[in-house]
Amino acid sequence: AQTVTQSQPEMSVQEAETVTLSCTYDTSESNYYLFWYKQPPSRQMILVIRQEAYKQQNATENRFSVNFQKAAKSFSLKISDSQLGDTAMYFCALKGSGGSNYKLTFGKGTLLTVNP
Amino acid sequence: ETGVTQTPRHLVMGMTNKKSLKCEQHLGHNAMYWYKQSAKKPLELMFVYNFKEQTENNSVPSRFSPECPNSSHLFLHLHTLQPEDSALYLCASSQSGGIQETQYFGPGTRLLVL
Repeated sequence: AQTVTQSQPEMSVQEAETVTLSCTYDTSESNYYLFWYKQPPSRQMILVIRQEAYKQQNATENRFSVNFQKAAKSFSLKISDSQLGDTAMYFCALKGSGGSNYKLTFGKGTLLTVNP
Repeated sequence: ETGVTQTPRHLVMGMTNKKSLKCEQHLGHNAMYWYKQSAKKPLELMFVYNFKEQTENNSVPSRFSPECPNSSHLFLHLHTLQPEDSALYLCASSQSGGIQETQYFGPGTRLLVL
């Protein structure tokens, strides 16, 4: 079974500062993918960034980057130069290569508030 | 329209009503999904369709009935729902059901069962 744990239900950050959201996971698979999704108040779930487990290099998308620690099963998201539009619920998700290749397992989410 | 669309965006229904949720994807994908998002709980996968064939039913009660007439459309038919079924229902699609494929989500239907 796959599990995803986000230990921070809520976080806040000042505009222009940097914030890191934590995520740990557990899987018995050797090949898997990790994702961060963002869900703003509009409720549209938007892909932020993805990481392939066999790649050692951390993924980066503009102001968003991850710190992928495979041995520790940790996948944190760093948001640099935070903007008001980054206010949203952030979900960490894992997709493994088990019997159900397509099954995404989500964490409970972290509500991030960016303050002016 | 682009991406994944869902209608209606909001729905209020009584426990004896029958209603349907519609999802349409404009991405040329072949796999479509229904998820349920309840307060304080992780997203729960309900159904998966790959090339119009149902490949996953995650122990969903029979009062939820999916239909996938083609790779671009997915429906969720609702009947005799319970108040605990009130939630945000999200549709998603991906190129295929493969592990490497990213799922893209629609805006959701907020359902309230009275």
